[in-house]
Amino acid sequence: DGGITQSPKYLFRKEGQNVTLSCEQNLNHDAMYWYRQDPGQGLRLIYYSQIVNDFQKGDIAEGYSVSREKKESFPLTVTSAQKNPTAFYLCASSMGRVGSPLHFGNGTRLTVT
Amino acid sequence: GQQVMQIPQYQHVQEGEDFTTYCNSSTTLSNIQWYKQRPGGHPVFLIQLVKSGEVKKQKRLTFQFGEAKKNSSLHITATQTTDVGTYFCAGPDETNAGKSTFGDGTTLTVKP
Repeated sequence: DGGITQSPKYLFRKEGQNVTLSCEQNLNHDAMYWYRQDPGQGLRLIYYSQIVNDFQKGDIAEGYSVSREKKESFPLTVTSAQKNPTAFYLCASSMGRVGSPLHFGNGTRLTVT
Repeated sequence: GQQVMQIPQYQHVQEGEDFTTYCNSSTTLSNIQWYKQRPGGHPVFLIQLVKSGEVKKQKRLTFQFGEAKKNSSLHITATQTTDVGTYFCAGPDETNAGKSTFGDGTTLTVKP
């Protein structure tokens, strides 16, 4: 089955630690995205990548980093510089053209204490 | 920058009642997409509207795209408990291919 896999589903970390969230897709999509969702709120774009080895900052990139070394993979690192890292993180992919629908993974719920 | 606004933020209905959520963009859109996120789940693509004045139906759901292509609505007839969730609209960033702006969503709860 084609789809997007995010792991783990739940992640717990101590404050001050960096943590990397995994996102893999086998849809052969060119574009990949990371969104952050806080309780009762919408989706805010962290980073996106339209092609391998290239990525752009979204609306809330501070405290996050990404890499896109393979078409299938777009890991997100939440660094210790991120002031409020506890949130629900969603990875998505699309064909990359204007208006292409987004396909979302199941999300990773990160809790930092 | 581009803004996409949705109202209402929350809607509580009795099962069988109708429900409508409205989406307004600060700029003209080439298309608009709608997504549904079930509680605890992830957003799932529902539909895309492209043409001015377009109306599309999916069973009890009716989607409209405004004549000026700056607003859209989703109407659910005779809600069921399976309709519970948050409905998001999203518009493409016309200056930045591959990037979309999401509204904050309308969360629907249905009392059985």
